[in-house]
Amino acid sequence: GEDVEQSLFLSVREGDSSVINCTYTDSSSTYLYWYKQEPGAGLQLLTYIFSNMDMKQDQRLTVLLNKKDKHLSLRIADTQTGDSAIYFCAEIRYSSASKIIFGSGTRLSIRP
Amino acid sequence: DTEVTQTPKHLVMGMTNKKSLKCEQHMGHRAMYWYKQKAKKPPELMFVYSYEKLSINESVPSRFSPECPNSSLLNLHLHALQPEDSALYLCASSQETNTEAFFGQGTRLTVV
Repeated sequence: GEDVEQSLFLSVREGDSSVINCTYTDSSSTYLYWYKQEPGAGLQLLTYIFSNMDMKQDQRLTVLLNKKDKHLSLRIADTQTGDSAIYFCAEIRYSSASKIIFGSGTRLSIRP
Repeated sequence: DTEVTQTPKHLVMGMTNKKSLKCEQHMGHRAMYWYKQKAKKPPELMFVYSYEKLSINESVPSRFSPECPNSSLLNLHLHALQPEDSALYLCASSQETNTEAFFGQGTRLTVV
């Protein structure tokens, strides 16, 4: 399909790991991105992965990429209340020009 | 410095008004974008400028008119908007169109 798909909601206990999944569409995307959006704010670039990588780790964040299945995941270790936000995966889609297309977003909520 | 600055932060306008949204970046990025985001939805691409030339217009109604006066500035001129145009308007920039984009905090627009 044309949509970049994500689960809409995820609830985790504080201190546990969060795993947010994404299925993208364009196999020629050179980069795939994770953005975070807190209420009323713009989008913050969290991390990205180059398409020739399987995994990228950046402090509490781990990105896994399965190109065969066009599946991307973001793991947040030791989830904190400040991690509450909407998380968007994004791909670069190539047609007449390249453009960044966002997934539907996953709202992460943290339980005490 | 990864800052994209948008002004104003909030704007209320009538359906007969003409207003402009402004976006500025000083990272030397050559691609700039306008996105529209409705509540609980992902950002939707409106326009892409590459090297100060419009490269993508995602079939946006003519009541939205983009302008790129120089490589650091991007404007969005608004005229005769409808209440359904109320949304968060996000500007972004990137080094090139196929690299990661950095977003401003957005302008929350209300059309009355």
